[in-house]
This record gives sequence, structure tokens and C-alpha cells, in this order.
Amino acid sequence: DAKTTQPNSMESNEEEPVHLPCNHSTISGTDYIHWYRQLPSQGPEYVIHGLTSNVNNRMASLAIAEDRKSSTLILHRATLRDAAVYYCILSSTTSGTYKYIFGTGTRLKVLA
Amino acid sequence: DTGVSQDPRHKITKRGQNVTFRCDPISEHNRLYWYRQTLGQGPEFLTYFQNEAQLEKSRLLSDRFSAERPKGSFSTLEIQRTEQGDSAMYLCASSPSAGRGNEKLFFGSGTQLSVL
Repeated sequence: DAKTTQPNSMESNEEEPVHLPCNHSTISGTDYIHWYRQLPSQGPEYVIHGLTSNVNNRMASLAIAEDRKSSTLILHRATLRDAAVYYCILSSTTSGTYKYIFGTGTRLKVLA
Repeated sequence: DTGVSQDPRHKITKRGQNVTFRCDPISEHNRLYWYRQTLGQGPEFLTYFQNEAQLEKSRLLSDRFSAERPKGSFSTLEIQRTEQGDSAMYLCASSPSAGRGNEKLFFGSGTQLSVL
């Protein structure tokens, strides 16, 4: 299974942009890059995903490197509610089935 | 859309007992996943269903673990002869299918298992 590498933790000031990096050097051509976040005592929730092109939605932006070996999740203005563990995941295919393999994620701390 | 529902939210059991958890996915979601999460770690993949068929099972899953999705709707995860190392949060997720790995996963709030 293709794996991802993320920093264990990051800090940001409130209302400033946050760039969360992810390395996935063994990504295959058909793997999508997903980001999920997990708030305390909750299950993970979807943030964004992409294949090759950069993506934007109301929560965040996803910047994907041209060689697809790394990506960056961008929170444009961090709020205290964005404090969570952020997971970068590849959808790994085995015999036509898809599973989503989580790493240890990045714990984002937002400072007021 | 009522979201993914898991029951119970918390379970305390004694070592050696059997436990069963239930997951109700979002209706009409064909795919259902079980994950296990211990403190400070990311969710660990356990198994995956497409409708009622169990298509993949982690090598890490011992024979004491079994999962079913009999009618392609709700699923159960049973752990027999529980051990203290089974203490974890068990998460269920569902997604629509017919994609190429670009489906969104919708997670429940999990069942927290404590084995004494």
C-alpha cells in the first residue's frame, strides 16, 4: 500500500493561512489524494480530494505537485474550530477494490 | 441523510468475553468500512464490504474478529475472547460506490471499547 508522510504537529495563529504538507513518493497513477480531519472524540470527516489538478472547496484548497509525490492542504484562514488532526490519505487499489490507508496525521494547533 | 450510526458508543467488557458492535451506514451507500483507532494513532483499516460481500480483510485482523453485512445494509463486528490489546475506538465508514477511489468516506462517531 502506498504510504504518506506528514509532520507530527504544526501550529498556526488564528486567521492566518496554514499549509499542511504531505509526502507520498510511492503514489501510483490511479491513486487519489484525500484529506480528512478528526476533531476530538469524533470520527474523521472529509475535507478535500484530488487526482492531478489543484482543487478548491469551501473548507480548503489542495495543491498537488506536478510529479504527484507531494501535496499541500491549505486552510486560508485558520479558526479555533480548525484545531484537529489532519490526515493525508491515498486511495489504494487492490484487485479493483479501494481502501483508504490512514497514517498518523498532523495535529494542528491554532493559537488565539 | 441521517449519517453513519454506531452502537453502542461505549463498551466495557472483561477479558475473555465476546462483544459485538453495530454500524448503520448511510442508506444506499454500497461500501462499508471498519477501522480501529488507538490513542495517538490514525485509524487502522480492518475490513471492507461492497454490498454484502466482504472484499478485503486486513492481515492484522486475527481470527477472533469477524464482520458481517448480511443484507448489504447494516454491519456487525464481533470480537471473540477479547484481550486487553483490543481496547480501542472502532470506527465504521460508508461511501457510495461506482467510483475510482474518489468517493468520500462518511464516518460514524465510533464505539469505544475498553477491555478490563
